[in-house]
Amino acid sequence: ETGVTQTPRHLVMGMTNKKSLKCEQHLGHNAMYWYKQSAKKPLELMFVYNFKEQTENNSVPSRFSPECPNSSHLFLHLHTLQPEDSALYLCASSHTGWFENTEAFFGQGTRLTVV
Amino acid sequence: SQQGEEDPQALSIQEGENATMNCSYKTSINNLQWYRQNSGRGLVHLILIRSNEREKHSGRLRVTLDTSKKSSSLLITASRAADTASYFCATDGEAGTALIFGKGTTLSVSS
Repeated sequence: ETGVTQTPRHLVMGMTNKKSLKCEQHLGHNAMYWYKQSAKKPLELMFVYNFKEQTENNSVPSRFSPECPNSSHLFLHLHTLQPEDSALYLCASSHTGWFENTEAFFGQGTRLTVV
Repeated sequence: SQQGEEDPQALSIQEGENATMNCSYKTSINNLQWYRQNSGRGLVHLILIRSNEREKHSGRLRVTLDTSKKSSSLLITASRAADTASYFCATDGEAGTALIFGKGTTLSVSS
């Protein structure tokens, strides 16, 4: 248990569906991240939030839409996904995302399958 | 963009042997971190080494950092079957706001 909780753990969705991934941390961290992990590829940074403000969008397609209502919660809204979007989506948090990174705490991930 | 790159991609050893993994990176860093991931799960932080440090120990883990060569190594001594996992190095991204990971080394320890 890392203190970062992701739900759901598994998700199967059709290409026309709309779904959301949720991430929650109660570690008092002020930075939260979404990463995508596909088979045989490095972890890809998708979005970064610092103090609820999006500070990085790593050229992610608009069918992925993040939301950070407060420092403890992070969502990833999904719509009209493609089969190649099937992957493990990992949420992480840390004390700060500026200049010097401290240890990141990861959730267990959501295994997404797009059919 | 990828910052760290681990070598080898896969490593198989027997219990009790030492495992060494290497990481190379491209830009200047504030610190370098190593993480472990069991199959299909989240990543777990192992150790952080700052750019002004050359070596750090944590239990059976030993990490070295050579900023002149932009490389780091992770040594796991007296490996156990439970050490079987993927190991990733991570560094600051170019914008300095998030960790950028390499592809990882998959370690398999057989008993």
